Amino acid sequence: AQKVTQAQTEISVVEKEDVTLDCVYETRDTTYYLFWYKQPPSGELVFLIRRNSFDEQNEISGRYSWNFQKSTSSFNFTITASQVVDSAVYFCALSGFGNEKLTFGTGTRLTIIP
Amino acid sequence: DTAVSQTPKYLVTQMGNDKSIKCEQNLGHDTMYWYKQDSKKFLKIMFSYNNKELIINETVPNRFSPKSPDKAHLNLHINSLELGDSAVYFCASSPQGRAIYFGEGSWLTVV
Repeated sequence: AQKVTQAQTEISVVEKEDVTLDCVYETRDTTYYLFWYKQPPSGELVFLIRRNSFDEQNEISGRYSWNFQKSTSSFNFTITASQVVDSAVYFCALSGFGNEKLTFGTGTRLTIIP
Repeated sequence: DTAVSQTPKYLVTQMGNDKSIKCEQNLGHDTMYWYKQDSKKFLKIMFSYNNKELIINETVPNRFSPKSPDKAHLNLHINSLELGDSAVYFCASSPQGRAIYFGEGSWLTVV
């Protein structure tokens, strides 16, 4: 069975601070995909990143970066110089390779205080 | 143009009614999904179709019946609505083995 744990239910930081959202996963699959999605107050789900399990290279996209550590089964997400528009619920998710069912974590509500 | 579009966005209906939510994707993806997000924001897959064939059915009550007339459409019909069906229903699509893209959600409230 697959499981995704986002232990941080809510985080608040002051604008321009850096913030890291934690994600820990469990799977018996040897190959799998990890995802992050953003759900802003308007409610839609916005795709941020997909990472496959055999690529542990960290990724940076603007102010966003992701740290994949297979040894600790973690896929953490860092926002640098946070902005008010980053306020949202962020979901980490996992799927098997070739099995496209996403298993989601419970989400982390991030509030950026102006 | 919205890639994955669902209608209606908001739906308020009485218990016992039958309702449908429509979903269309213009991305040419082979696979489409329905996910449910409950009041605690927990997201869970309900169904998945690949080229109009059902491939995932996650222990959903048979009051919920998906229908895929073609690979660009996946509609969700719900019979005999119950209070516990109140949720946000997300349609999504993906090309095989790639990222999954979600629609904007349909907020269903059963009163």
